[in-house]
Amino acid sequence: KNEVEQSPQNLTAQEGEFITINCSYSVGISALHWLQQHPGGGIVSLFMLSSGKKKHGRLIATINIQEKHSSLHITASHPRDSAVYICAAPPKNFGNEKLTFGTGTRLTIIP
Amino acid sequence: DAGITQSPRHKVTETGTPVTLRCHQTENHRYMYWYRQDPGHGLRLIHYSYGVKDTDKGEVSDGYSVSRSKTEDFLLTLESATSSQTSVYFCAIIGGPGTEAFFGQGTRLTVV
Repeated sequence: KNEVEQSPQNLTAQEGEFITINCSYSVGISALHWLQQHPGGGIVSLFMLSSGKKKHGRLIATINIQEKHSSLHITASHPRDSAVYICAAPPKNFGNEKLTFGTGTRLTIIP
Repeated sequence: DAGITQSPRHKVTETGTPVTLRCHQTENHRYMYWYRQDPGHGLRLIHYSYGVKDTDKGEVSDGYSVSRSKTEDFLLTLESATSSQTSVYFCAIIGGPGTEAFFGQGTRLTVV
């Protein structure tokens, strides 16, 4: 069982819809990362958060440390938001531990 | 943009040949990772490094070796490439707890 679970795996929505992608983790973390990968493209970091909420444009990320759960929201979705969204959980104390990823959510926004 | 580059970006090689991929960073980050990305599997960890000459295996390490002789370079070697190693390879770096992770642009490797 993956230590970081994402849902849904695939999501198709109409342009303008409000999007929510969820990430649950079972490991102790130092912070949770949300990443974006466009088709055929590289991976870019969207957010790093260890508590509360962060907002960047139409993207909002929230985290509940007690429940070990994070969500990524996209407001007023646009076709250019179509990408794979990945959450990543670095270990709390690092040391010789690894960075664990969710399997990703493939988002398709239809015009 | 974070200083992380992968080379080469694309490579086609024949089965049985050795291949080395390079990840170079200018951020002086301690932790470096090699992942492969395949359809239906997401990012899977091959090997990672938590310091110079300190490396460990990930979940799909068979057929791969790594070396890190200096902070800025993390090399991934396929000793004898096989078709199952056709994939996109990503390098990632992170400084430590509470720091942002950065990714290379990826290397598309095709083994024929």
